[in-house]
Amino acid sequence: QQQVKQSPQSLIVQKGGISIINCAYENTAFDYFPWYQQFPGKGPALLIAIRPDVSEKKEGRFTISFNKSAKQFSLHIMDSQPGDSATYFCAAKDAGGTSYGKLTFGQGTILTVHP
Amino acid sequence: EAQVTQNPRYLITVTGKKLTVTCSQNMNHEYMSWYRQDPGLGLRQIYYSMNVEVTDKGDVPEGYKVSRKEKRNFPLILESPSPNQTSLYFCASSLTGTGGEQYFGPGTRLTVT
Repeated sequence: QQQVKQSPQSLIVQKGGISIINCAYENTAFDYFPWYQQFPGKGPALLIAIRPDVSEKKEGRFTISFNKSAKQFSLHIMDSQPGDSATYFCAAKDAGGTSYGKLTFGQGTILTVHP
Repeated sequence: EAQVTQNPRYLITVTGKKLTVTCSQNMNHEYMSWYRQDPGLGLRQIYYSMNVEVTDKGDVPEGYKVSRKEKRNFPLILESPSPNQTSLYFCASSLTGTGGEQYFGPGTRLTVT
C-alpha cells in the first residue's frame, strides 16, 4: 500500500526549463511534506519542505505547491540546471501516534537536465 | 562536521551469515531510523528509535534487528540474511521524531547471494 504516490518516474528537461514533479497522499494525518534530493552514491538530503497550513513555499529556484483539499503537492524547479540532475523523493510525515517520526516516501523521480 | 556515518559502505555476503551494519551520528539526535531503498519503491522504514533503549518497528521489519544502547549509535543486524534483503540501506537521524529534517547517512549497498 503506497501512501504517497509520485510521478513521473523519470523526467528529462532542457537547461533553463521548468521541472515539475507531483505527489499525492492518502493519510490526512500527515503534517509535514519534505522533498529530498539524492545524487548517485549519496544519501538523500533535504531540499525544501512545507507544512499544510500554507499553499506554497519558495526557496530560490525551488517551489513547493500544496493543495490540501486535493491531497496533492508538487515540486517546481525553475530554470533547471544540469547540476539539478538527481533523484527526487517526496515524503510525508505523520503527526504522531504509532508512526512517530516516520517519513513515508514516494517512489522517486529521476531528473535529467540536458545542457 | 555534523554527520551520520555508516559502515561498511559496500558488503557482499552469503545467505545465512549474520552481519551488522553500523550507524553513528554526532549531532546528539534523539531519533534514529533505518530505511531500505529499492527501485520503484522509494525508501521504506525498517526500524526506528525515539531514544536510548526505545525502538519500534517500521513498515518492513521482518528479518532485521536493531538496538540502541547509546544515543549516537544505532546498528542494524541481519541475523540470517536472505537474497531478498539485497538492497541499499540508509540510516537517518533527527533531533526528535516530531522535528523536521532527517539527516541521512551515505548508504550501505548490501548484496546477499
